[in-house]
Amino acid sequence: ELKVEQNPLFLSMQEGKNYTIYCNYSTTSDRLYWYRQDPGKSLESLFVLLSNGAVKQEGRLMASLDTKARLSTLHITAAVHDLSATYFCAVGGTSGTYKYIFGTGTRLKVLA
Amino acid sequence: KAGVTQTPRYLIKTRGQQVTLSCSPISGHRSVSWYQQTPGQGLQFLFEYFSETQRNKGNFPGRFSGRQFSNSRSEMNVSTLELGDSALYLCASSLTSGSMHEQYFGPGTRLTVT
Repeated sequence: ELKVEQNPLFLSMQEGKNYTIYCNYSTTSDRLYWYRQDPGKSLESLFVLLSNGAVKQEGRLMASLDTKARLSTLHITAAVHDLSATYFCAVGGTSGTYKYIFGTGTRLKVLA
Repeated sequence: KAGVTQTPRYLIKTRGQQVTLSCSPISGHRSVSWYQQTPGQGLQFLFEYFSETQRNKGNFPGRFSGRQFSNSRSEMNVSTLELGDSALYLCASSLTSGSMHEQYFGPGTRLTVT
């Protein structure tokens, strides 16, 4: 069964610092999604990564996908307080299934 | 373009009762997936419907059921509610199969079982 692991689970960082969230998954997939969730709110789509080597950037966030290593990263550059949220990766497109499998989530807190 | 809507947004029920939640997908989207989110278990997949057919189901007891109508709107039903069913229930819509395309999430229904 497909498993998706994120680390770290919790991340507290100072404004202006850089950090990376890792998303590892256990079986072959060529579709990886990143979402953001603010407390008490729904999930907001951040990135859709559809092929090996895909890299996407939006503001201070950059996501990449390495399908051979079964690894996606979400890199945060010069963090600001507004980035405080929980970030989820989700793996989809695995053969024979029609569902996303979500990672455990990384709760990010950016300290001013 | 209107987003995914869910009703009701908040619900309080008593153990043993049943509840029906509703989800209207983005216009043109034919797939609706349901998820349960709790602090302890995270985001767990319940089921996906596409063209009125259940395509896949997560590991939940038979008390959890759903259906999809011809206009792609979906309902989820939970019978004989238990305290552990208290959660945020999210629905998501996508163009076709839920795992092949980006999903768009609704605001959720927060269910409290007392």
